[in-house]
Amino acid sequence: DSGVTQTPKHLITATGQRVTLRCSPRSGDLSVYWYQQSLDQGLQFLIQYYNGEERAKGNILERFSAQQFPDLHSELNLSSLELGDSALYFCASSVGLQGHKYGYTFGSGTRLTVV
Amino acid sequence: GQQVMQIPQYQHVQEGEDFTTYCNSSTTLSNIQWYKQRPGGHPVFLIQLVKSGEVKKQKRLTFQFGEAKKNSSLHITATQTTDVGTYFCAGPGGNNRKLIWGLGTSLAVNP
Repeated sequence: DSGVTQTPKHLITATGQRVTLRCSPRSGDLSVYWYQQSLDQGLQFLIQYYNGEERAKGNILERFSAQQFPDLHSELNLSSLELGDSALYFCASSVGLQGHKYGYTFGSGTRLTVV
Repeated sequence: GQQVMQIPQYQHVQEGEDFTTYCNSSTTLSNIQWYKQRPGGHPVFLIQLVKSGEVKKQKRLTFQFGEAKKNSSLHITATQTTDVGTYFCAGPGGNNRKLIWGLGTSLAVNP
């Protein structure tokens, strides 16, 4: 157990639907990052929050949005889902920005399948 | 934009052989981090290198940061089947707001 909790572990949904992925960071970590990993692909950075505020954006689609709540948990909302959105979505957390010194701690991911 | 390249993309070795993956950045990095992702698993932080020319060892793994702080390498001595996975390097983006990740090197080890 890495200390980063992601739910659900698996999600199967139809095209056009909307889903919400949830992440609880490791205790004490203020930064939360969302990544998308497709089959045989690297880690695509989506978005970062630090202590409730958006800090950095990657190649996140307009159909996707995220937020970090006062208790530091984060949610990633994916809407108007397409087949190509099928992927493994990871949440990671770190004490500060960029994972300096201690790196990022990743959750076990949510596997999203769009049918 | 800033890029981090990793080579090779894939490597297949016999158990007991050595393995090296290389990471090259288009810009100077303040630090570089290495992660390992086992098949079906999530990335796990291995180490961070900060100083120019720094070399760190973790058992059979040796990590090196180049003198110019633009490249790094991970060397595994006498690979074991437990070394199977994808190894990623990552370095801070120029605006210091996010990590820039390499695409990873996937290591397969034949027993």
